[in-house]
Amino acid sequence: DIRMTQSPASLSASLGETVNIECLASEDIYSDLAWYQQKPGKSPQLLIYNANSLQNGVPSRFSGSGSGTQYSLKINSLQSEDVATYFCQQYNNYPWTFGGGTKLELK
Amino acid sequence: EVQLVESGGGLVQPGRSLKLSCLASGFTFSNYGMNWIRQAPGKGLEWVASISSSSSYIYYADTVKGRFTISRDNAKNTLYLQMTSLRSEDTALYYCARKVLQSYYFDYWGQGVMVTVSS
Repeated sequence: DIRMTQSPASLSASLGETVNIECLASEDIYSDLAWYQQKPGKSPQLLIYNANSLQNGVPSRFSGSGSGTQYSLKINSLQSEDVATYFCQQYNNYPWTFGGGTKLELK
Repeated sequence: EVQLVESGGGLVQPGRSLKLSCLASGFTFSNYGMNWIRQAPGKGLEWVASISSSSSYIYYADTVKGRFTISRDNAKNTLYLQMTSLRSEDTALYYCARKVLQSYYFDYWGQGVMVTVSS
């Protein structure tokens, strides 16, 4: 199975700050990577797919990048509504696997 | 508007069975592959099972293979997960999720249904 390792596990940032979350795959996943946002008490929502494509309706302050085994999610100008846990997911190879999550809080 | 509404969860003893349902609306259910994904309390996400639009292709996580069965009824716009030989480690919030047409990421998720396995 492909192991997805996210870092950091938790993160505290101020409003307006830029935040980066990393996701490392145990093997090349050829950009078959999605990012999800899960707000407290809610179900996950798709933010990014194919490593860098923004899902319809997602604010442009979210962006994704990376290739091979290393990927990142960037949030520009952090807003209060961005407080959530973020998960990466690879879909290059069955079984589809998720990272452990990054919990983002406001400082 | 796409909606996925899970039901059938609850408290069940170890070794017993439970069947989850997910009623879909707002899209042509028979065109899309569907999935169950679970989240243990305070933990991350674990993909559980997938079924293609016509039920031709079915996949399971190793942790549930041989115990869980995913199925669908396209006439009823409903996805199912039959869970048998339940264990305490199956305790989780179970989400129904639609996969996009050409790939294996998930663009719509239900609100989840809780399954608690305990004596």
